[in-house]
Amino acid sequence: GQQVMQIPQYQHVQEGEDFTTYCNSSTTLSNIQWYKQRPGGHPVFLIQLVKSGEVKKQKRLTFQFGEAKKNSSLHITATQTTDVGTYFCAVRVRTSYDKVIFGPGTSLSVIP
Amino acid sequence: DTEVTQTPKHLVMGMTNKKSLKCEQHMGHRAMYWYKQKAKKPPELMFVYSYEKLSINESVPSRFSPECPNSSLLNLHLHALQPEDSALYLCASSQVFTQNIQYFGAGTRLSVL
Repeated sequence: GQQVMQIPQYQHVQEGEDFTTYCNSSTTLSNIQWYKQRPGGHPVFLIQLVKSGEVKKQKRLTFQFGEAKKNSSLHITATQTTDVGTYFCAVRVRTSYDKVIFGPGTSLSVIP
Repeated sequence: DTEVTQTPKHLVMGMTNKKSLKCEQHMGHRAMYWYKQKAKKPPELMFVYSYEKLSINESVPSRFSPECPNSSLLNLHLHALQPEDSALYLCASSQVFTQNIQYFGAGTRLSVL
């Protein structure tokens, strides 16, 4: 069946350093969403990417959808302590029915 | 208003208890979801309601019983749970089921003793 992987699983960075997480699918995706979950919180929608090669920016966050629509990345420039949390990608898969599944997530720690 | 409200925030129950989790949204969304999330894991889909009808049951044990009384409300009835059911239970909604962008509630943190 379709698999969604995220790397790395954990990342510890010094405040001010950059951070990147990658989401990889075994099949071509129609679109991909990114969510952030703060410690003790709930997932919050960040962005949806639809087009091949699409790049979207939100302040210090840059999201990219691969040309083959099988992978995506989230890059944070100059991390801050407010960036701490787990970043999940989410994709729609088709088994016996359509549903959205979440990748395993990348947990980001920022050392002040 | 992009708020999904879940009650209670915390719940402790014994294995013989019956309790209910509640979820409410007023965004006019016609798809609502229940997820279970264990520590350091992604949310796992349990149920999907689309236009108040149960569309997906991810082979969830019958001790979890969902209910959608109307387009704004979603309940999850719990009975005879096991300690391994302890988790964060998240409710989410989207405009329609084919819309991938989901808005999550703050969740109910459940402990089964």
